[in-house]
Amino acid sequence: GNSVTQMEGPVTLSEEAFLTINCTYTATGYPSLFWYVQYPGEGLQLLLKATKADDKGSNKGFEATYRKETTSFHLEKGSVQVSDSAVYFCALSDNADKLIFGTGTRLQVFP
Amino acid sequence: DGGITQSPKYLFRKEGQNVTLSCEQNLNHDAMYWYRQDPGQGLRLIYYSQIVNDFQKGDIAEGYSVSREKKESFPLTVTSAQKNPTAFYLCASSTSPGAGGFFGQGTRLTVV
Repeated sequence: GNSVTQMEGPVTLSEEAFLTINCTYTATGYPSLFWYVQYPGEGLQLLLKATKADDKGSNKGFEATYRKETTSFHLEKGSVQVSDSAVYFCALSDNADKLIFGTGTRLQVFP
Repeated sequence: DGGITQSPKYLFRKEGQNVTLSCEQNLNHDAMYWYRQDPGQGLRLIYYSQIVNDFQKGDIAEGYSVSREKKESFPLTVTSAQKNPTAFYLCASSTSPGAGGFFGQGTRLTVV
């Protein structure tokens, strides 16, 4: 079945460091891919998405490229801020429009 | 403003009692979803509905029930048959396949 695998956290970085959170997926067909962010005690917010191979999603300095050949959708940011501290979820949307999530990666950014 | 409203934010119930979590959206989205989140884990799909008066079981539907009588509303009932109901429950809606979900703020249910 379809699944999403994310790197284990927490990821701990200093402010202005480069961020990469790895995400790989297993799916039949051509799913849409998403990154969501969750701040403490809140729901999830859609951060960015890509709907087909080689698409790059971007928002608030975050980027991720849909790589069909490596079945990956890694999240990157060139310079993180303390306010980026949160849990990040990679997800895919299957043919029935159900979202399948990874287990989440906690990011901690220190000044 | 358009959005999804989940209420209440915190809910406490005694073991053996049924409890209903509310989810309302004014986004005019056809599809709605309920997810469960446990500490340090991802989200697991409980039920989803792609149209009024129709819904399907997700991966962990046992011990839960839903209804979709109106497009705007998708309440979730946690029954006494749910063995471990304490969790964070998230409701989401979606306008179309590939659009992703728009989430509410969640309800934290604690059963004592």
